[in-house]
Amino acid sequence: QVHLVQSGAEVKTPGASVKVACKASGYTFTGYYMHWVRQAPGLGLEWMGWMNVNSGGTKCEQKFQGRVTMTRDTSISTSYMELSRLRYDDTAVYYCARLTGDRAFDIWGQGTMVSVSS
Amino acid sequence: SYVLTQPPSVSVAPGQTARVTCGGNNIGSESVNWYQQKPGQAPVLVVYDDTNRPSGIPERFSGSNSGNTATLTISRVEAGDEADYYCQVWDSSSDYYVFGTGTKVTVL
Repeated sequence: QVHLVQSGAEVKTPGASVKVACKASGYTFTGYYMHWVRQAPGLGLEWMGWMNVNSGGTKCEQKFQGRVTMTRDTSISTSYMELSRLRYDDTAVYYCARLTGDRAFDIWGQGTMVSVSS
Repeated sequence: SYVLTQPPSVSVAPGQTARVTCGGNNIGSESVNWYQQKPGQAPVLVVYDDTNRPSGIPERFSGSNSGNTATLTISRVEAGDEADYYCQVWDSSSDYYVFGTGTKVTVL
C-alpha cells in the first residue's frame, strides 16, 4: 500500500527553523513529484511548492521564496521541507502530497503540526 | 495569480443532492480536482480531471466543469459526507498549484 508518513509535531520560537520529514513507501519514490501544502488553524489549504524527486529540482510559491528549502534522500525514500525565519503566522499543519500525472494530489501524509510560540 | 472562489457553506438534508461550486476565470479550460477533508484529517482526493473518481470513491461523487464554474455534486447525501471540500487546479502560466477557498458541507 502507498503511504506517506510524516515526522512529529514541532514547537519553535520565532526566528528559528523547522524541518519536516515525509517518508514514502509502496511506490517508486523517484517516479513522482512531491508537494508541500499547509493549513493554518481554521483556514484553508495553501500550496507551498514542489520537488522533482528524481532530479532534485524545486519550485515554491513566491511568498515562501528564500525561506523554504525542499530536499530529499532517495536512499531512504524521504522528502524534507525546511522553513526558516519562522513567524507566528507560520503556525499550521504541514502536509506532503504526491502528485499524479493528472496534476492531482492522490496521496497525502498525515500532517505535521508546527507551532510557533515564544 | 489564479483565484478560485467557493461558497463558504452548503447545507443539505440526508438523501438530497449537494452541489459545491468553484468559480475561476475560464475554469472550463482547466483540469479541476476536488478534495474532501474531515476534521483532524488529511484531505482525500474525490474527483480528478473534472469528472473522474479515484478507486474507492463512491459513484455518488461526480464533477463537471464549464465556462467559469466547476461543480462537485454529491448525490444521496449521507451524514458521513459532512466535511470541507476544496477545488484545485494547476495554473500553467505560473506553474503554481491553486486551491479554492473551501466549502463546509453540513448535513442537516
